[in-house]
Amino acid sequence: AQTVTQSQPEMSVQEAETVTLSCTYDTSESDYYLFWYKQPPSRQMILVIRQEAYKQQNATENRFSVNFQKAAKSFSLKISDSQLGDAAMYFCAYTSGNTPLVFGKGTRLSVIA
Amino acid sequence: EAGVAQSPRYKIIEKRQSVAFWCNPISGHATLYWYQQILGQGPKLLIQFQNNGVVDDSQLPKDRFSAERLKGVDSTLKIQPAKLEDSAVYLCASSSNTLGRGLLTGELFFGEGSRLTVL
Repeated sequence: AQTVTQSQPEMSVQEAETVTLSCTYDTSESDYYLFWYKQPPSRQMILVIRQEAYKQQNATENRFSVNFQKAAKSFSLKISDSQLGDAAMYFCAYTSGNTPLVFGKGTRLSVIA
Repeated sequence: EAGVAQSPRYKIIEKRQSVAFWCNPISGHATLYWYQQILGQGPKLLIQFQNNGVVDDSQLPKDRFSAERLKGVDSTLKIQPAKLEDSAVYLCASSSNTLGRGLLTGELFFGEGSRLTVL
């Protein structure tokens, strides 16, 4: 079964600095999709960024970018110029397309003013 | 565009009582999901619907949990009887899949969740 591991339960970053959240996954599939979702306190989960495994290029969305290492089965999220509004739980998630979306346990990010 | 609506936001019940949660997905989204999120963990899929049919309910505790999506739009998740370990946030999500039988290639849109406390 596919598993997603987030080894950092909590992280903190100074405002305007850069932080990287780690994620590893286990799969025997060659084609799949990876996601980072953000869950602010008491608010709904929203998609931050998405990566298709067949694409070599790392996905980027404004201040958010990923480092996708397919051979190492690693999918880290980099947040540049961190803002107070970035404080949230961040979940890494995986699907092969015909399997349910599997989430990691999450990383709680604190942003220090 | 209206988001995924869920109600109630909060519910407190005694063990062995029953509870029902309602979800209205984004208009036009064929696929609807119910996830259970226990404190400190990531969401776990309970059931996935494609229109009004069940695609995956392998992790639904069918002795106490049931869900339906009769008209292929809104959905209800019921727990009867509730146990202490059912305390969690129940998240509803929807997506507009484009590859046939519920194949997910894109984004899930989540509701704010229904927080259940079982005493």
